[in-house]
Amino acid sequence: AQKVTQAQTEISVVEKEDVTLDCVYETRDTTYYLFWYKQPPSGELVFLIRRNSFDEQNEISGRYSWNFQKSTSSFNFTITASQVVDSAVYFCALRRRSNDYKLSFGAGTTVTVRA
Amino acid sequence: DTAVSQTPKYLVTQMGNDKSIKCEQNLGHDTMYWYKQDSKKFLKIMFSYNNKELIINETVPNRFSPKSPDKAHLNLHINSLELGDSAVYFCASSQESTGSYGYTFGSGTRLTVV
Repeated sequence: AQKVTQAQTEISVVEKEDVTLDCVYETRDTTYYLFWYKQPPSGELVFLIRRNSFDEQNEISGRYSWNFQKSTSSFNFTITASQVVDSAVYFCALRRRSNDYKLSFGAGTTVTVRA
Repeated sequence: DTAVSQTPKYLVTQMGNDKSIKCEQNLGHDTMYWYKQDSKKFLKIMFSYNNKELIINETVPNRFSPKSPDKAHLNLHINSLELGDSAVYFCASSQESTGSYGYTFGSGTRLTVV
């Protein structure tokens, strides 16, 4: 079975602070994919990143960065210099490479950035 | 152009009614999905179709019946609606044959059963 745990339910920060969202996953597969999605108050699900299990390189995209560590089964997400527009629910998700196509989501972390 | 479009965006209906939610994707993807997001924001897969063939059917009541007339459409019909069906339903698509494993979600349909 596969499982994604986002232990932080809610995080509140003041603008310009950095915020790190934790994601821990469980899977028996050697090949798998990890994702982060953002759900702003408007409700849509916005794709942020996909990382496969072979690639442990960290990634940076603007103010967003991701730290993938297979040794600890973690795929953490950091927002640097947070802005009010970053306020959203952030979901970490996992899928196997097999043919079940299923994306298993964590419970989400609600980030509130105060001006 | 909207990549994955769902209609309607909002749906308010009475218990016991039958309703449908439509989904269309113009990405040329071969696989489509329905996900349900409950009041606590938890997202769970309901169904998946690959090239019009049912691939995933999670533990969903028989009152929910997906229909895929072609690869670009996946509709969700719900019979005898119950209060507990109130949720946001997301349609999604992905291209599986090329191994890209990227999911594109629609904007969601908020279903409220009263």
